[in-house]
Amino acid sequence: SQQGEEDPQALSIQEGENATMNCSYKTSINNLQWYRQNSGRGLVHLILIRSNEREKHSGRLRVTLDTSKKSSSLLITASRAADTASYFCATDARAGANSKLTFGKGITLSVRP
Amino acid sequence: DTEVTQTPKHLVMGMTNKKSLKCEQHMGHRAMYWYKQKAKKPPELMFVYSYEKLSINESVPSRFSPECPNSSLLNLHLHALQPEDSALYLCASSQGRGRSGNTIYFGEGSWLTVV
Repeated sequence: SQQGEEDPQALSIQEGENATMNCSYKTSINNLQWYRQNSGRGLVHLILIRSNEREKHSGRLRVTLDTSKKSSSLLITASRAADTASYFCATDARAGANSKLTFGKGITLSVRP
Repeated sequence: DTEVTQTPKHLVMGMTNKKSLKCEQHMGHRAMYWYKQKAKKPPELMFVYSYEKLSINESVPSRFSPECPNSSLLNLHLHALQPEDSALYLCASSQGRGRSGNTIYFGEGSWLTVV
């Protein structure tokens, strides 16, 4: 069953612009992870944010988490054509040996050169 | 080295065949996972192994049989599959301990086509 719902479902921007993707979820979580998937390829881990964290950065990526609203956002700054991919948020309600991820439907990002 | 290796990359099998998908990680992770992903859909969890024991089976049909021979290896045995089982099968691993959540690393996947 799906936990996360990303918004928008598809996003098309010009190279150099920022891309913001949102994710909402329904139940309490231990952590939330964002992944990128290029067409036909595996999932690449981007960022993990824990339930007691509000914001994390990694390079051009910024992730926020609002547990009161059960939502997260992924911001990609200064986008590049190579950022074109599907992006998924995934929630983990448990931790340690019982961890398992439940994925949202995904967002298709197209970055035009 | 954050690498999960899956073989084969592509597999075509008939409905009466028996085949296996293999997954390997050398990160010392103690949790390993199988996910199934249909085209344009999110990955869906199938199985979780924790410390080489099956800890989660998401009501997967018995024609899929997981096996964890040791802490580095995870297999998925396939028998009498249906065409609707055609999908990308993703293996993943994580440290599998701690209270604050572990990054789950995925392999490139095995594309399965059932004919």
